[in-house]
Amino acid sequence: AQTVTQSQPEMSVQEAETVTLSCTYDTSENNYYLFWYKQPPSRQMILVIRQEAYKQQNATENRFSVNFQKAAKSFSLKISDSQLGDTAMYFCAFDLGANSKLTFGKGITLSVRP
Amino acid sequence: DGGITQSPKYLFRKEGQNVTLSCEQNLNHDAMYWYRQDPGQGLRLIYYSQIVNDFQKGDIAEGYSVSREKKESFPLTVTSAQKNPTAFYLCASIESVVNTEAFFGQGTRLTVV
Repeated sequence: AQTVTQSQPEMSVQEAETVTLSCTYDTSENNYYLFWYKQPPSRQMILVIRQEAYKQQNATENRFSVNFQKAAKSFSLKISDSQLGDTAMYFCAFDLGANSKLTFGKGITLSVRP
Repeated sequence: DGGITQSPKYLFRKEGQNVTLSCEQNLNHDAMYWYRQDPGQGLRLIYYSQIVNDFQKGDIAEGYSVSREKKESFPLTVTSAQKNPTAFYLCASIESVVNTEAFFGQGTRLTVV
């Protein structure tokens, strides 16, 4: 069974600074997908970024980038130039593809201070 | 506009009653999922369905039931057997094997009174 671990329940960052959210996972599979989802106070889940395990290059999406370490089974999210609108819960998620189970971590609450 | 719709947004249930949460998508997605969200627990998978007329139990299926009679609809019934049903419920859909991005509804907050 696949597991996703987010060990930091809360983090805080000053506006315009950079913050890194950690995520580790466990799987015996070689091909899979990793995601970071954002849940703002409205509770609408939004995809932030995704990474295919077979791709060595780390995914980037504007101010969001990941550090994917396949051997260490680590998948951290870096948010650059933090904005007040980044305040939200962030969930790391894992999927084997082929419409398999999409497994989430417990999430981390990020607060951006003005 | 395509999307995934959950209704109602808020739902109150008396103890001992069954209640059904609606989830409809017009994205033509194959797979649909139900998650339960509790503070500090993240999202836990209740049931998921990959095709019509087929579904699988997730990690916390006890006290819940689902059906998938149509591709666009995946209702969740919270039965009286669910001991602690008060929670926030999220429905999601995924297009296919190729595109695994999940789209979510806005959620239903269920409260047992």
